[in-house]
Amino acid sequence: KQEVTQIPAALSVPEGENLVLNCSFTDSAIYNLQWFRQDPGKGLTSLLLIQSSQREQTSGRLNASLDKSSGRSTLYIAASQPGDSATYLCAVPETSGSRLTFGEGTQLTVNP
Amino acid sequence: DAGVIQSPRHEVTEMGQEVTLRCKPISGHDYLFWYRQTMMRGLELLIYFNNNVPIDDSGMPEDRFSAKMPNASFSTLKIQPSEPRDSAVYFCASSRGPEQYFGPGTRLTVT
Repeated sequence: KQEVTQIPAALSVPEGENLVLNCSFTDSAIYNLQWFRQDPGKGLTSLLLIQSSQREQTSGRLNASLDKSSGRSTLYIAASQPGDSATYLCAVPETSGSRLTFGEGTQLTVNP
Repeated sequence: DAGVIQSPRHEVTEMGQEVTLRCKPISGHDYLFWYRQTMMRGLELLIYFNNNVPIDDSGMPEDRFSAKMPNASFSTLKIQPSEPRDSAVYFCASSRGPEQYFGPGTRLTVT
């Protein structure tokens, strides 16, 4: 059974700092990995999806990497802003298009 | 596109009552997922449909929970009878490819 772990559980940084969020998974036979953002009391917003054949995916100040062999993904946030404060979750599907297994999330606080 | 639409956004009910949660997926999406989020268990999949057909309902807690998808634009999740431990945020998500799009959720409180 796939298990997804995110470290750290919480992170507090000053505005402007570059930061890295970590996600690890136990079964490396994944089709893709998806990063989400969840604001308090809100739903999940998809940030980036990396296919298993890709090593990186970028969107604005966000860069996600994937290393299947080691069972790891990182989400890099450049020049963090207070508006980046949210919980970030990673998730992998059991098969393409099917159920997602989520990590517990990293709660990020960016202080002005 | 309006995104995934869920109703109601908040529901407060008494133990033993029937609760029906509703979801309208994004037009053209052929997968629909129901998730539940709690502090204790995080996000967990309850059931998902492909082309209106239930594919995997192994996450449904017990017989009190049922889900239907009568057509491509509508799905319901019903709890009967509801219990306090059902209190959670219920999310609906849809997809056409690998990327899933989530609705805003329904916050259910059972007293």
